[in-house]
Amino acid sequence: AAGVIQSPRHLIKEKRETATLKCYPIPRHDTVYWYQQGPGQDPQFLISFYEKMQSDKGSIPDRFSAQQFSDYHSELNMSSLELGDSALYFCASRGLPQETQYFGPGTRLLVL
Amino acid sequence: AQTVTQSQPEMSVQEAETVTLSCTYDTSESDYYLFWYKQPPSRQMILVIRQEAYKQQNATENRFSVNFQKAAKSFSLKISDSQLGDAAMYFCAYRPTQGGSEKLVFGKGTKLTVNP
Repeated sequence: AAGVIQSPRHLIKEKRETATLKCYPIPRHDTVYWYQQGPGQDPQFLISFYEKMQSDKGSIPDRFSAQQFSDYHSELNMSSLELGDSALYFCASRGLPQETQYFGPGTRLLVL
Repeated sequence: AQTVTQSQPEMSVQEAETVTLSCTYDTSESDYYLFWYKQPPSRQMILVIRQEAYKQQNATENRFSVNFQKAAKSFSLKISDSQLGDAAMYFCAYRPTQGGSEKLVFGKGTKLTVNP
């Protein structure tokens, strides 16, 4: 079965640079969620989209923005990167009537 | 705010034996979903099992089952016939069904070691 696709899988950036993470949900899933997992931490919710509209917002820094496109893929844009942004970024998708969020493999971001 | 507590940072079990991971949560909602996710060393988040709060019957998926005690706000995971591949970090997660927010709230996780 098709799964959530995230790209890139690994990303190395310098401080103050920008990064764009992409997420391709499972086909026919219309809701996308972004989570951030720091080293040794549990995943923390950042933001979600339903039918291309932002549906919920968590502890996402103002330096980050995201959107969902007409084909339902989503992009997380991160600017002015800081060392503390180094983490594993997950995208998850959900399609009604299912209640389960299915996670992608994650993007490992390292900020130097 | 809803919170999820996993009181066991680490657990270990012998291969082929049974282990139970604990999870408690705090919510004022009457309807919600509870999940157990497994995160192996690859760090992929894999759904293990799901429970709807309105269902009294405990969910079961092969060797994995839950003990859901709604009044006590407890949601433990039992792994039977443990296998080496079960070694992973296990996260308990909560999600309300109403109120607009669909975010998952995770516990801090329990690291499970399976000894041969």
